[in-house]
Amino acid sequence: SQQGEEDPQALSIQEGENATMNCSYKTSINNLQWYRQNSGRGLVHLILIRSNEREKHSGRLRVTLDTSKKSSSLLITASRAADTASYFCATVDILTGGGNKLTFGTGTQLKVEL
Amino acid sequence: DAGITQSPRHKVTETGTPVTLRCHQTENHRYMYWYRQDPGHGLRLIHYSYGVKDTDKGEVSDGYSVSRSKTEDFLLTLESATSSQTSVYFCAISEWGEGPNEQFFGPGTRLTVL
Repeated sequence: SQQGEEDPQALSIQEGENATMNCSYKTSINNLQWYRQNSGRGLVHLILIRSNEREKHSGRLRVTLDTSKKSSSLLITASRAADTASYFCATVDILTGGGNKLTFGTGTQLKVEL
Repeated sequence: DAGITQSPRHKVTETGTPVTLRCHQTENHRYMYWYRQDPGHGLRLIHYSYGVKDTDKGEVSDGYSVSRSKTEDFLLTLESATSSQTSVYFCAISEWGEGPNEQFFGPGTRLTVL
């Protein structure tokens, strides 16, 4: 079963604007991770946030986690055309996530136009 | 792609034939994973390995088997391919040090079953 649902499914913005993607999940988690996938490529890890953290930053990325609402958001500031990709959230379930098993959401397709 | 290769990168086969996909890593990571990616489903875990000869099932393991005889190699076998196994298959690796870690993904194998 799919753990995460991402919203929106697709997002189109202009270069320089901010992009926000949301992820909801269903179970109790150890941590939540965000990945990027360029067309035809493998996934690349962006950021990991643990269940006891509320916010994390990495460069132009800001991730928030609200465990009471079982949701996370990824903010990309000052977007660039090179940010065009699909973005996935993935969770490690606190009970079944042994072996660092990830359960992925369905992804958000971001298009950044010049 | 973090020292992970997958072979073949593309394969077309016929229903009922056996297929083996190979994942090779040079990172000496303990954990290895096989996912499939289908439109609308994100990535779903097929099988994973937590050491040589130590494997376990993921959420979509029916019709697939795996083997890991060496740290660096993780094989995924479709004993008798079906059209529903047409997908893009990704291998990933991970380590577990002091806490959770990200997964590193290979470039993927596109499999078409006619």
